[in-house]
Parts: sequence; structure tokens; C-alpha cells
Amino acid sequence: DAGVIQSPRHEVTEMGQEVTLRCKPISGHNSLFWYRQTMMRGLELLIYFNNNVPIDDSGMPEDRFSAKMPNASFSTLKIQPSEPRDSAVYFCASSLMQLYGYTFGSGTRLTVV
Amino acid sequence: KQEVTQIPAALSVPEGENLVLNCSFTDSAIYNLQWFRQDPGKGLTSLLLIQSSQREQTSGRLNASLDKSSGRSTLYIAASQPGDSATYLCAVREGSQGNLIFGKGTKLSVKP
Repeated sequence: DAGVIQSPRHEVTEMGQEVTLRCKPISGHNSLFWYRQTMMRGLELLIYFNNNVPIDDSGMPEDRFSAKMPNASFSTLKIQPSEPRDSAVYFCASSLMQLYGYTFGSGTRLTVV
Repeated sequence: KQEVTQIPAALSVPEGENLVLNCSFTDSAIYNLQWFRQDPGKGLTSLLLIQSSQREQTSGRLNASLDKSSGRSTLYIAASQPGDSATYLCAVREGSQGNLIFGKGTKLSVKP
């Protein structure tokens, strides 16, 4: 298995533009998580899905952020409009519920200028 | 609200030394605890997963212990090597369907 695949690896965009981050979880995993990592706040959960259904989106900072999981093999995190304070590394992770740990993707480094 | 704390924030040791990284959590009702390693500019690599019913897990030179009642976990690294230099993150999972809550990590530097 190729692991959790995120794209793009790096994204530089101008303030106000729409940004879409993509994630392909490990096949067979039924939970998917989006995290954001910054120096100041560390790793923070944004949203997670179980069986493609959003369970907890309380970590989504504001209405500019939205996430979807249309099927078991794909998820997107969208920021519209983007702002400089959104600059961070965004990680996607997946897991099998109950028994197993998380597997993280390599992350997307987002820079909003 | 669950909080995870890792002490120290940074640690520098000479090669060959045995060392202990500490993790504490405020709510002992956890489902499991996971230790990760993060290299600069990279993602997180899972090192060890301890279920709430377990006391410890071992993998090679790494040993992680869990004391739920006191809200503590330790990661023991034996015979440290420069290649062990990285940030080590502790995370607890609340419930079988819950998310991971992370500490801010301990940045380890092993000097040759």
C-alpha cells in the first residue's frame, strides 16, 4: 500500500484565492482526519469522517473552511477565500476504527501571501 | 477538555545515551495512546501504539509505557543514535471513534 497520499505537497497562493487540498486514505481504512500544524499551536484537528460521514467539524476555524468525503477513497479540504493566517502544514490521516493507530500523509505546506 | 503535555520541549544528548521522553494527559479515560516521530519538513511516522488495557509496547530500541491512572506515558530510547534526532509527539485517542489529541512534542537532538 502506498500509504496516505496528499496533494499538492506545496501550495503558494495569493490572499483571497480558493485553495483545495486533496487526500487519498489507505484502502480499507474507514476513518479520515484533517489536521493543521503550526509552530504556535502544534497539531490541531480540523475535522474527521467515519465511513465518509463528517463526525466532528468543531475544529474548522471558520466558514471559509469546508471538507468533503464523496467516497471512501477521496477527501478534499477547501479554503475560500484564503488568508495569510491560513499558512500552515495540513495533514491528512486515516485509520481503522477501534484497534489501530493513525497513518499520516506527508502533508501539504500551504503559504498564503 | 483533554490536554496533552510533553516535557521537556527540547532535549540534547550525546550519542549512546539512554533517554526518556515524558507525556502526561489530564483525562485518564483514553482509548489508546500513540507515539509518533516527525522529521523536519516531513509527516508523522507512527512508532508505538498502546491500547488502554496495555502497560507497555516495545519496538527495537524503543519502549513505551502507559499508566492510565496517573495520566502518564514515557518513551524510552536505548543507546541513542544521531539518526534518532527528530521531534517526538505523543497523542491520546478518546473513544473508539474519537480523534487524536496531540502534545506539542519533544525535539530531540543526539550529538555524535
